[in-house]
Amino acid sequence: AQSVTQLDSQVPVFEEAPVELRCNYSSSVSVYLFWYVQYPNQGLQLLLKYLSGSTLVKGINGFEAEFNKSQTSFHLRKPSVHISDTAEYFCAVTRASTGANNLFFGTGTRLTVIP
Amino acid sequence: DTGVSQDPRHKITKRGQNVTFRCDPISEHNRLYWYRQTLGQGPEFLTYFQNEAQLEKSRLLSDRFSAERPKGSFSTLEIQRTEQGDSAMYLCASSLGGVNTEAFFGQGTRLTVV
Repeated sequence: AQSVTQLDSQVPVFEEAPVELRCNYSSSVSVYLFWYVQYPNQGLQLLLKYLSGSTLVKGINGFEAEFNKSQTSFHLRKPSVHISDTAEYFCAVTRASTGANNLFFGTGTRLTVIP
Repeated sequence: DTGVSQDPRHKITKRGQNVTFRCDPISEHNRLYWYRQTLGQGPEFLTYFQNEAQLEKSRLLSDRFSAERPKGSFSTLEIQRTEQGDSAMYLCASSLGGVNTEAFFGQGTRLTVV
């Protein structure tokens, strides 16, 4: 089975500062990795995904993530955050072989951007 | 098409009652997924359909939970004899078939069992 650990439940950061949200996964098979964002009273929105190829993945809203197989990590980064980035961020994993998209999510990291 | 639609957005029910939620996926999407999200947790996968076939249901939380997608379009999730522990947000997502496809999520149905 696959699982995801998000090490930080809450991350406060000042506006225009960089941020890193950490994600580690566990799986005995190849996986696909995702980051989703959830704004208050809205559905989950895909930020970026890693399927194969380059380990540095760029997503929407200036976010990027790096897949590190040896450390089983997929940390999310942004060089300069904005107030509008305040939201809940979820890392998710699925088996690469199935393509079924039944995602296994972490518990989430609440990013709060302080003016 | 405005995306994945879920109805109702909110549901309050008394313990022991049955509830049914509806999900309308994006029209060309043949895969449909149900998740449950409790407070402070990430979404938890429950079941999914490929067209009208339910291909994974082992993660449904108990035999009180059932889902259908009779014509391969909209889906319903039913919870029988609701319990207070069923209070959660129930999310639906849909995607095209294939490996490299994105799952699009609805805004969810928030269930409160009193």
